[in-house]
Amino acid sequence: GESVGLHLPTLSVQEGDNSIINCAYSNSASDYFIWYKQESGKGPQFIIDIRSNMDKRQGQRVTVLLNKTVKHLSLQIAATQPGDSAVYFCAENRLQGAQKLVFGQGTRLTINP
Amino acid sequence: DGGITQSPKYLFRKEGQNVTLSCEQNLNHDAMYWYRQDPGQGLRLIYYSQIVNDFQKGDIAEGYSVSREKKESFPLTVTSAQKNPTAFYLCASSITTNTEAFFGQGTRLTVV
Repeated sequence: GESVGLHLPTLSVQEGDNSIINCAYSNSASDYFIWYKQESGKGPQFIIDIRSNMDKRQGQRVTVLLNKTVKHLSLQIAATQPGDSAVYFCAENRLQGAQKLVFGQGTRLTINP
Repeated sequence: DGGITQSPKYLFRKEGQNVTLSCEQNLNHDAMYWYRQDPGQGLRLIYYSQIVNDFQKGDIAEGYSVSREKKESFPLTVTSAQKNPTAFYLCASSITTNTEAFFGQGTRLTVV
């Protein structure tokens, strides 16, 4: 079946470095994508979203890139801080038709001091 | 404060008992969702509701039931038919089903 998945389950970076978290999706009908951050024991927090008519969107210290040709999504976090340590999930949805968020397995990001 | 409130935060249930998890939102959102999360796993959709008095099964609806009698409330009942109910349950809401969802803080259910 179609699903959203992640290339790496864990990622460690040095504080101050940039990090890139990747996500692959297989449903070509998906046209809306969201990145969430989840800290231990808490609900996921919205970080940034992107629609399929865009290939890049920037927020505060975060950038999401969408490559529809290879069905790939990435989240770039600039100048990582200890508070960025969490599990990051990508989720996909469709703007028309049956609409439900499908989540990937997640990547655990650890920021080393 | 506006937001999504799940209660209780921790819940213990004996095998064979039904239990209901509460989810309330005061964001005036039409859509609401229930997800299940197992350790080290992603979120799997149990049920979702696009509007009051309407709901659809998600990917893992067996052993669960919901109701949506009021816009602000979407309770989830974990029935005795759910064979492995111990998990972290997350409720979310969104303006519509094609906008970002906002999550509650979750209910950790343990079967003893």
